[in-house]
Amino acid sequence: DTAVSQTPKYLVTQMGNDKSIKCEQNLGHDTMYWYKQDSKKFLKIMFSYNNKELIINETVPNRFSPKSPDKAHLNLHINSLELGDSAVYFCASSHDRDLSGANVLTFGAGSRLTVL
Amino acid sequence: GDSVTQMEGPVTLSEEAFLTINCTYTATGYPSLFWYVQYPGEGLQLLLKATKADDKGSNKGFEATYRKETTSFHLEKGSVQVSDSAVYFCALRTSGTYKYIFGTGTRLKVLA
Repeated sequence: DTAVSQTPKYLVTQMGNDKSIKCEQNLGHDTMYWYKQDSKKFLKIMFSYNNKELIINETVPNRFSPKSPDKAHLNLHINSLELGDSAVYFCASSHDRDLSGANVLTFGAGSRLTVL
Repeated sequence: GDSVTQMEGPVTLSEEAFLTINCTYTATGYPSLFWYVQYPGEGLQLLLKATKADDKGSNKGFEATYRKETTSFHLEKGSVQVSDSAVYFCALRTSGTYKYIFGTGTRLKVLA
């Protein structure tokens, strides 16, 4: 039973299209994240939600919009896709009831987005 | 702000060689430190962690010791295997914050 699951795993689309990536976690965690990993493997935090509330919103174009319908789900919608959006997007979650720095981040397997 | 610096890769070793991947950090608070590993085509997995000074994290033959005096958390393994080929990320998180700060990753390639 996958702890953090993302769909789709692969996504190939044309510039200008709109696409969504879905994420679900069954760990009972309170906080969920979206990270972007570029071709050099650099990981950049994009957004984070704690109990459906947005808590981290890094400098990301407005074309990216996260949505958390409940604390087990965090979806990412991207409008007007550009070539530079091609990357692997990782969803992750952590158990944060006490905001301890020791809480471990659990990642999904990633969604590879290719914009043509 | 908080940051993590890792040695540049790739690191290429022969099987059974000794591995060290350097990691240093800067943090305003008192962070917990982590090593994550990413195998080809997969997401990141926790390899080990340490939550206070002088703690040693260990897993699968890998070890790292939290050194507050040198602000370091170097990853070591005595004898690497081909199956250890992956990208390794050092990370920190400071108590009271939600943000995990990752290093740039170090690619390890082990040759048979």
